[in-house]
Amino acid sequence: DGGITQSPKYLFRKEGQNVTLSCEQNLNHDAMYWYRQDPGQGLRLIYYSQIVNDFQKGDIAEGYSVSREKKESFPLTVTSAQKNPTAFYLCASSPHSTGGLGANVLTFGAGSRLTVL
Amino acid sequence: KQEVTQIPAALSVPEGENLVLNCSFTDSAIYNLQWFRQDPGKGLTSLLLIQSSQREQTSGRLNASLDKSSGRSTLYIAASQPGDSATYLCAVSFPYGNNRLAFGKGNQVVVIP
Repeated sequence: DGGITQSPKYLFRKEGQNVTLSCEQNLNHDAMYWYRQDPGQGLRLIYYSQIVNDFQKGDIAEGYSVSREKKESFPLTVTSAQKNPTAFYLCASSPHSTGGLGANVLTFGAGSRLTVL
Repeated sequence: KQEVTQIPAALSVPEGENLVLNCSFTDSAIYNLQWFRQDPGKGLTSLLLIQSSQREQTSGRLNASLDKSSGRSTLYIAASQPGDSATYLCAVSFPYGNNRLAFGKGNQVVVIP
């Protein structure tokens, strides 16, 4: 079955540590996205990538980093510079993001919950 | 800037009643609008996608309409069931800016048995 796999589902981090959340898709989608979800604030875009080896900052990129070395993979690193990282993180993908009928038609993973101890 | 609003933020209905959820957006220049369902602690599941040229989409008990000129979409769930309890989010895709997708904050629905 095609879909998006996020791991781990739950992650605990000590202050000062970097952690990496994995996102893998087998949908052959060009575009991939990372969102952060906090209660009462809706989804906020962290980073997105329209093509391999290219990515752009979203609205809240500070304290996060990404890479897109393969079409299928878009890992997110939460660095120690992110002061309030406790949140639910969602990865998504779409066929492409530059317009037309398939523009930004999203498929989501199941999410990863990060808690800072 | 495209902004998406969902009202009410939360609602409860008795089982069997029809649910009507509203989504409004500020700029009518959109590619499409998607309705998602989210269960607590889970990812988002796509329910319906309406292209900008369409007026509505239907899937089983779900019907979504789109009025682009007035910047509104309505998700209608017929004969609600307790299993419909979830948060429903709408998202619009639009053709300008770097972040070309805007989400509402969701309608949290509880269907009371």
